[in-house]
Amino acid sequence: QSVLTQPASVSGSPGQSITISCTGSSSDVGGYNLVSWYQQHPGKAPQLMIYEVSKRPSGVSNRFSGSKSGNTASLTISGLQAEDEADYYCCSYVGSSILVFGGGTKLTVL
Amino acid sequence: QVQLVESGGGLVKPGGSLKLSCAASGFTFSDYYMSWIRQTPGKGLEWVSFISSSSSYTNYADSVKGRFTISRDNAKNSLYLQMNTLRADDTAVYYCATYRYPQKDFDYWGQGTLVTVS
Repeated sequence: QSVLTQPASVSGSPGQSITISCTGSSSDVGGYNLVSWYQQHPGKAPQLMIYEVSKRPSGVSNRFSGSKSGNTASLTISGLQAEDEADYYCCSYVGSSILVFGGGTKLTVL
Repeated sequence: QVQLVESGGGLVKPGGSLKLSCAASGFTFSDYYMSWIRQTPGKGLEWVSFISSSSSYTNYADSVKGRFTISRDNAKNSLYLQMNTLRADDTAVYYCATYRYPQKDFDYWGQGTLVTVS
């Protein structure tokens, strides 16, 4: 099973916007609108932030948004805040009832 | 509120077995698909397995197929993962999570239980 490619790290200053990419193939990200994103703070369990590419669960700040173009999905965080500093993982359905995660991106708020 | 509590992790020798449990509360367990996801120390997440609400359907990652078995007991609001023929690369924190089948995502997670194979 493939692993989706994410940048190892991104950074931004408070108030800025950042985007984390998640690159797969036509067999996963590009083939289904079933990409989700998870935030994980150190020592904590992951939390669902975006599902079905661009939908936000209730309770998730509207500063978080998702999109997809071709085989690459993206998570954008606007108005960056210190509390956004965390690891972020994308996940995609790849067919045959199988899911794969990206390698994760460490977000640093400068 | 939704609560998922994993247990059963620990230290096991290569080739050994271990059974993880996940106790669920705060929602109608029998209505939900459930899943196991693991995270190797300092590394990323890997989907391991899922099971349908009535246990009629299960699936596994290639890395654990034939060695791990997922099961559930809806009367006890519990999810299980039987792990056999354990290898060093199975060392990870194992999370149970609710799996929303249409959306193919994991909306509630437990805090995880550490399995060390050494």
